[in-house]
Amino acid sequence: EAGVAQSPRYKIIEKRQSVAFWCNPISGHATLYWYQQILGQGPKLLIQFQNNGVVDDSQLPKDRFSAERLKGVDSTLKIQPAKLEDSAVYLCASSLFQGANSEQYFGPGTRLTVT
Amino acid sequence: QQPVQSPQAVILREGEDAVINCSSSKALYSVHWYRQKHGEAPVFLMILLKGGEQKGHEKISASFNEKKQQSSLYLTASQLSYSGTYFCGTEISSNTGKLIFGQGTTLQVKP
Repeated sequence: EAGVAQSPRYKIIEKRQSVAFWCNPISGHATLYWYQQILGQGPKLLIQFQNNGVVDDSQLPKDRFSAERLKGVDSTLKIQPAKLEDSAVYLCASSLFQGANSEQYFGPGTRLTVT
Repeated sequence: QQPVQSPQAVILREGEDAVINCSSSKALYSVHWYRQKHGEAPVFLMILLKGGEQKGHEKISASFNEKKQQSSLYLTASQLSYSGTYFCGTEISSNTGKLIFGQGTTLQVKP
């Protein structure tokens, strides 16, 4: 079974520029998560989708970050404008269903460097 | 709300055992454990649910003390492949799948 796909793998931008990340979850997985992982820290949930609806976006900085999951499959995460503190690895994960007993499968991540 | 993991780092020789702890100030619905190798994605190890149900890899064992809001991951007869950073993810809202991850415990296994 194919895993979670993400692109690009690496991105370097200047502050105040915009950037977009793409995620394709495992086929059939209803729940999709975007995490931000700053170097040396654990992943921090930004947004959780169930199919194409948002379940939780309480930690998403909505003044600059946006995300969508059209048709309940692929998802994009956008940052506009980027700040230096946005430098991190952005991980996408998916799970078969929403619930405590559903393990999350992570993609390889996109490493963002903001200069 | 972030769970606290201990120790922060541990170095072992092959064949030795280790315990990694995860403690929360909030009542927990479930605890998830993941391992992340440098530059790679986190990989699922185990889920422990309130009520005693567990799900995960056969060679990994863990415990969940609901009253103390603590979980421990037991790594026995460690192998070189066990090296990496271990994260616990805690779920404090009932059955949402929303996890809050700890800061990680770095494990290094030496030959």
